[in-house]
Amino acid sequence: GESVGLHLPTLSVQEGDNSIINCAYSNSASDYFIWYKQESGKGPQFIIDIRSNMDKRQGQRVTVLLNKTVKHLSLQIAATQPGDSAVYFCAENPRGSYIPTFGRGTSLIVHP
Amino acid sequence: NAGVTQTPKFRILKIGQSMTLQCTQDMNHNYMYWYRQDPGMGLKLIYYSVGAGITDKGEVPNGYNVSRSTTEDFPLRLELAAPSQTSVYFCALARILPSGRGNEQFFGPGTRLTVL
Repeated sequence: GESVGLHLPTLSVQEGDNSIINCAYSNSASDYFIWYKQESGKGPQFIIDIRSNMDKRQGQRVTVLLNKTVKHLSLQIAATQPGDSAVYFCAENPRGSYIPTFGRGTSLIVHP
Repeated sequence: NAGVTQTPKFRILKIGQSMTLQCTQDMNHNYMYWYRQDPGMGLKLIYYSVGAGITDKGEVPNGYNVSRSTTEDFPLRLELAAPSQTSVYFCALARILPSGRGNEQFFGPGTRLTVL
């Protein structure tokens, strides 16, 4: 389950490794999901999205996997680079809604 | 095309002071949002607006007010600042993605507010 407290879950990887960031969502009515990247001192930025009629979508070096049965979303980053160091958020949107629910975020630290 | 602009970038307030956080967009989108982000936490929705003249409360509206007199501007008002309002504030709009597959939240750069 999700941890409580002031510290974000953290994933530390070496440069060149593949990273997997996980997210559990809560609303079975959600049909649209987005991953955001937030670099230090900046606002979140869109990375990749997926609709509930898909279970996988690929972008450049990133892949999102959706498992609706267990309400789980993951973001895979291939050949992780120092520039990928950031906090990553998932967001879920119920059908027709313009009000997303954001996850708490995971801090990715990439060591050169 | 600047997207979403927020001012100021930083501000320190004393307890009980008031201020307005400005948010302006040049993308002509109807849906706009105000979020706060506390250290190590996710985004919490304060208020949102579905168009000029229409606003509604989000998850954490207490201590804040908003107005939306134009499509472009969505200011957030703190009337009596409290230490609990120390946070980073993000303004965002909903941007429709290509092929109509959904909408993303497009964020401004944020305002870092400290209340002492």
